[in-house]
Amino acid sequence: DTGVSQDPRHKITKRGQNVTFRCDPISEHNRLYWYRQTLGQGPEFLTYFQNEAQLEKSRLLSDRFSAERPKGSFSTLEIQRTEQGDSAMYLCASSSPNGQGRRGAFFGQGTRLTVV
Amino acid sequence: TQLLEQSPQFLSIQEGENLTVYCNSSSVFSSLQWYRQEPGEGPVLLVTVVTGGEVKKLKRLTFQFGDARKDSSLHITAAQPGDTGLYLCAGVGSGGGADGLTFGKGTHLIIQP
Repeated sequence: DTGVSQDPRHKITKRGQNVTFRCDPISEHNRLYWYRQTLGQGPEFLTYFQNEAQLEKSRLLSDRFSAERPKGSFSTLEIQRTEQGDSAMYLCASSSPNGQGRRGAFFGQGTRLTVV
Repeated sequence: TQLLEQSPQFLSIQEGENLTVYCNSSSVFSSLQWYRQEPGEGPVLLVTVVTGGEVKKLKRLTFQFGDARKDSSLHITAAQPGDTGLYLCAGVGSGGGADGLTFGKGTHLIIQP
């Protein structure tokens, strides 16, 4: 297993367009997290899955954002009607059943979104 | 909302020097983690500290968790250019995601050869 992979690495889109990002976690990890990181800030939690169930969503996740993990493996994050304020690095992380508090979270390389 | 304050925000020093960066909060965390992030990459876990007063060493890096579990420090001895990166602390206990990782803004460290 090569770790958490995210696709695409970079995305430039026009304001108002929809975008979708994909995350493939480490195969034996049942927990999957999405974070957003803007310039000069640390990552901010967006949402969390345990297997296919979405258990928590941050207030940062507006109605234009939706995340899925249909089979408990890969996950997608969709942003509808993108705004310039959505420009950020979107990070996916996965952790073992013990959770990210024990052995930490394993992060992907992120998808950098630029809305023009 | 539990906040983690990291200081300094930026630090640029010469190779071979020692340095300490800090992570402070007014809240208690069940544990605290340090990550290192390079440009264009995701954060990579360095260490988790759990017990108040705990000290962990990772080669030239020494991590300490405060007795009250509200603060932590990272000391690097004889810094090398390969230590350059963004050092993030993350408190475990609330902030979302079941295990509740709350990140600080990070310390941008540059080690000049």
